[in-house]
Amino acid sequence: GAGVSQSPSNKVTEKGKDVELRCDPISGHTALYWYRQSLGQGLEFLIYFQGNSAPDKSGLPSDRFSAERTGGSVSTLTIQRTQQEDSAVYLCASSLGWTTSTDTQYFGPGTRLTVL
Amino acid sequence: AQKVTQAQTEISVVEKEDVTLDCVYETRDTTYYLFWYKQPPSGELVFLIRRNSFDEQNEISGRYSWNFQKSTSSFNFTITASQVVDSAVYFCALSEAESNDYKLSFGAGTTVTVRA
Repeated sequence: GAGVSQSPSNKVTEKGKDVELRCDPISGHTALYWYRQSLGQGLEFLIYFQGNSAPDKSGLPSDRFSAERTGGSVSTLTIQRTQQEDSAVYLCASSLGWTTSTDTQYFGPGTRLTVL
Repeated sequence: AQKVTQAQTEISVVEKEDVTLDCVYETRDTTYYLFWYKQPPSGELVFLIRRNSFDEQNEISGRYSWNFQKSTSSFNFTITASQVVDSAVYFCALSEAESNDYKLSFGAGTTVTVRA
């Protein structure tokens, strides 16, 4: 079946612009996660959704970052007024449930964001 | 504090050699889960294995094997008779059931290059 898909695969933007990154989880998966992979910070958790609600937003780096999920499916990560330090690969994952004891997180290919 | 440490940044081997990737973790939870993911050049993280803290039995899957030792807080991964297709970045990750059982904390990753 189809895996997690993300779009765009690459995004180049100018400093100060807003960007939206999209994630389509595996059909039927109730949990959705955003992670960021950067050279300096490695792979770090940003936010996760149970259905449409986000119980843990603690990993979002600043208030310029926000995410939403609608219909228990597609999620959008928005970065406002992008900065060069936002340059990274943004990875989305989904799982059937939200406990890692039983539910494997399956990752998408990521969106590579470059802020000039 | 870093919860997962992968001290080896890069490992280069010749095909058919065995390679062992080290992973040391830190947690105060008594129930936790350990994972290995593979990230090939395509970028998508691929799930390899999950172990819970109560199961110290070693596991073998084809050419892959894992050695979990609670006494040393280690969860090492061995690829036997490596092949060029094993070239990838390998991540060890931890999930703590008593605090954040949905969140994966990743190590910095080990880049494995298998030369023909």
